[in-house]
Amino acid sequence: ELKVEQNPLFLSMQEGKNYTIYCNYSTTSDRLYWYRQDPGKSLESLFVLLSNGAVKQEGRLMASLDTKARLSTLHITAAVHDLSATYFCAVDPIIQGAQKLVFGQGTRLTINP
Amino acid sequence: ETGVTQTPRHLVMGMTNKKSLKCEQHLGHNAMYWYKQSAKKPLELMFVYNFKEQTENNSVPSRFSPECPNSSHLFLHLHTLQPEDSALYLCASSPQGSYEQYFGPGTRLTVT
Repeated sequence: ELKVEQNPLFLSMQEGKNYTIYCNYSTTSDRLYWYRQDPGKSLESLFVLLSNGAVKQEGRLMASLDTKARLSTLHITAAVHDLSATYFCAVDPIIQGAQKLVFGQGTRLTINP
Repeated sequence: ETGVTQTPRHLVMGMTNKKSLKCEQHLGHNAMYWYKQSAKKPLELMFVYNFKEQTENNSVPSRFSPECPNSSHLFLHLHTLQPEDSALYLCASSPQGSYEQYFGPGTRLTVT
């Protein structure tokens, strides 16, 4: 069974600081997704990583994928309050006939002034 | 605002009631999904439909009954629910050849 684990689950940080959220998964995959969820809202797609070594950046967020280590990271640079949200990674298992994502538990990020 | 809509946005129902959740997408996607999101639990996949055919049932109790009349619409029929079924129910869709999913706003369900 594919397991996706995020670390940390809760993160409280100050504006202006840098931090990284980690996403480990237990089986072979070269497709990984990052989503953001604001309280009471739906999930918003942030990044789609489709190969080993893929790196994508949008504003203060940068995501990378290492398929050999089965690890993705979401790096936050110079955090601002607007980035406070819950961040989910999701892995697409390479299983023939399957069409589903397996999500991590989510990392609740709080950025304090 | 995404291209996936869900109604109602909030629903309170008793354990003996029957209700339905509706999801609609006009993105031309062929796959649609139901997820349950409870407090303190990861997002749980419930059902997957691909071109109107159910391809995944993640051991969901029979009190949840999905229906997909066409690739644009997905329903979740609810009957004799339990209080532990209270959660945010999210619908998503994805295009053919991609598993990137686009989520609706969700229905907040409370079972009393």
